[in-house]
Amino acid sequence: QVQLVESGGGVVQPGRSLRLSCAASGFTFSSYAVHWVRQAPGKGLEWMAVISYAGTTKYYADSVRGRFSISRDNSRDTLYLQMNSLRPEDAAVYYCARGIGGTIYYGVDVWGQGTTVTVSS
Amino acid sequence: QTVVTQEPSFSVSPGGTVTLTCGLSSGSVSSTYYPSWYQQIPGQAPRTLIYSTNIRSSGVPDRFSGSILGNKAALTITGAQADDECDYYCVLYMSSGVSVFGGGTKLTVL
Repeated sequence: QVQLVESGGGVVQPGRSLRLSCAASGFTFSSYAVHWVRQAPGKGLEWMAVISYAGTTKYYADSVRGRFSISRDNSRDTLYLQMNSLRPEDAAVYYCARGIGGTIYYGVDVWGQGTTVTVSS
Repeated sequence: QTVVTQEPSFSVSPGGTVTLTCGLSSGSVSSTYYPSWYQQIPGQAPRTLIYSTNIRSSGVPDRFSGSILGNKAALTITGAQADDECDYYCVLYMSSGVSVFGGGTKLTVL
């Protein structure tokens, strides 16, 4: 079945780096844009970044632009989020989600179960 | 910075109809923002309800519908059920390429 599975979360000190992965299965990964969305404890959803199906177009939220980098490996059906210079406010559950219709603007239709990032000294 | 606005909370009676809205701190929402709506039970991943203003995601019952009402996007739930009680989020796509979530609406069915 269509599935996204995130991994790579954990506890990291402020200022350090972490790379999240999102493994796709059950669909042609290379045909879809993919997004990262996060949710801090007790807070709402926050859109982070999107990458086009070919990986040629990327957009970021202001809160992470310059610190986070989205990428993908279509040969491995995997999405990545490289997070640098982590701050306590980056602590959240991070979800990857599939874009609808091959676009970056329709929204998303498939969500992963999330991976938790804790930023603490 | 663009702020997407939603009612923080809303109540509806069982069997009733409720319309949640999604607006902009400055300006009007139109279909060019491709509004989408998501449902989230606390502790679970979100579920997609509506995309591109009014297209229901696969498996979503027709009790859920999307539209543009005035200068806002809207999610209407008819025949509210107890398990509709959860959080609802809208997302707007900005012409700059970024998407922005609203703050979410906590829906109570009582």
